[in-house]
Amino acid sequence: EAQVTQNPRYLITVTGKKLTVTCSQNMNHEYMSWYRQDPGLGLRQIYYSMNVEVTDKGDVPEGYKVSRKEKRNFPLILESPSPNQTSLYFCASSSLYNEQFFGPGTRLTVL
Amino acid sequence: GESVGLHLPTLSVQEGDNSIINCAYSNSASDYFIWYKQESGKGPQFIIDIRSNMDKRQGQRVTVLLNKTVKHLSLQIAATQPGDSAVYFCAERLYSGAGSYQLTFGKGTKLSVIP
Repeated sequence: EAQVTQNPRYLITVTGKKLTVTCSQNMNHEYMSWYRQDPGLGLRQIYYSMNVEVTDKGDVPEGYKVSRKEKRNFPLILESPSPNQTSLYFCASSSLYNEQFFGPGTRLTVL
Repeated sequence: GESVGLHLPTLSVQEGDNSIINCAYSNSASDYFIWYKQESGKGPQFIIDIRSNMDKRQGQRVTVLLNKTVKHLSLQIAATQPGDSAVYFCAERLYSGAGSYQLTFGKGTKLSVIP
């Protein structure tokens, strides 16, 4: 089944404790992206990647890192999480010129 | 369920009626537009797309209209069903150079279908 998977689905952590949210897709898509979704603000892009070893900042990259060492994986790294990063996070992938497919989401709470 | 529906414009429609959801996009250089549906507790799901060289595109029970003059996009759902209840987002794509592009999403509209 073609899909985008994210892990974990739910995470509660404390300020300053480094964490990684994994994202994987099995559709051989070139483009991958991370979004956060907050009430009243909609979906905002954090980082995106056009292909392996190519990453670019989105609209809200501060406090996040990403890497794209393999085509199928695009992990999101929070080196020192803070409470304002409490949010719902979505990973998405697409072929270069078509619609994005979204993962199921990761609900992160930073205490 | 997830709280993505808070603070959103809401459209309430009687089952069987047609629904029209509107979206204003921001950049006249955007070349591709997408409508997504997001049900409670799930990720956004693709509904229909349209390229900037088109004015209208039809799918199964859905039609997207694009008015580039006023930078407006609409999604029409025919014979709305309870399963259509969700938050609907439009997205616009803008190339940022060197083969790279960004998708920008609207804030969304919550559609509630009254049985």
